[in-house]
Amino acid sequence: DAKTTQPPSMDCAEGRAANLPCNHSTISGNEYVYWYRQIHSQGPQYIIHGLKNNETNEMASLIITEDRKSSTLILPHATLRDTAVYYCIAHLGGATNKLIFGTGTLLAVQP
Amino acid sequence: SAVISQKPSRDICQRGTSLTIQCQVDSQVTMMFWYRQQPGQSLTLIATANQGSEATYESGFVIDKFPISRPNLTFSTLTVSNMSPEDSSIYLCSVPGTSVYEQFFGPGTRLTVL
Repeated sequence: DAKTTQPPSMDCAEGRAANLPCNHSTISGNEYVYWYRQIHSQGPQYIIHGLKNNETNEMASLIITEDRKSSTLILPHATLRDTAVYYCIAHLGGATNKLIFGTGTLLAVQP
Repeated sequence: SAVISQKPSRDICQRGTSLTIQCQVDSQVTMMFWYRQQPGQSLTLIATANQGSEATYESGFVIDKFPISRPNLTFSTLTVSNMSPEDSSIYLCSVPGTSVYEQFFGPGTRLTVL
């Protein structure tokens, strides 16, 4: 799996959009970009994934650059409950493929 | 989605003893994964457990230290053997979802070794 690089921490005001960047310059053509988050004292939770196109679901939006070397996870209206460590993972996908976690970004949503 | 439970949720153990952690899933799954999360760190994959075959261990993890059982498609155990304080971590199991694009994680077992 390609290595990903994320800032160690970010702050965001409650109600504002949180934009979490991720660099994955060595990503291969068949690797997806996955985002998970881990709220304190809980197991990681899947958020979203994408290959080339931008994706949106009820939790977040994922913007992938045209060259696929970086991406941004967007939480459109951050709440205090979104305070968590967010992990960006380059992954082949499929049930047999294991997830390799990097260090992630600690997002602190401020009231 | 998959609902995963782990037992115990936490434990405090003495050096040199062993602890077996259980992971129960509410549906049948081919593969289960075991992770370790040391204090303040990210998750590290320990091994992949397949039903009916031996677990596959990642570099730095060995079967003698972390024996795994997988007796059926809904259950697995991870044993942390001959524990030392360095084994103090959260241990998590996970399973792939039916969409194969996401994994579901258990709540974790918080282990403290004195």
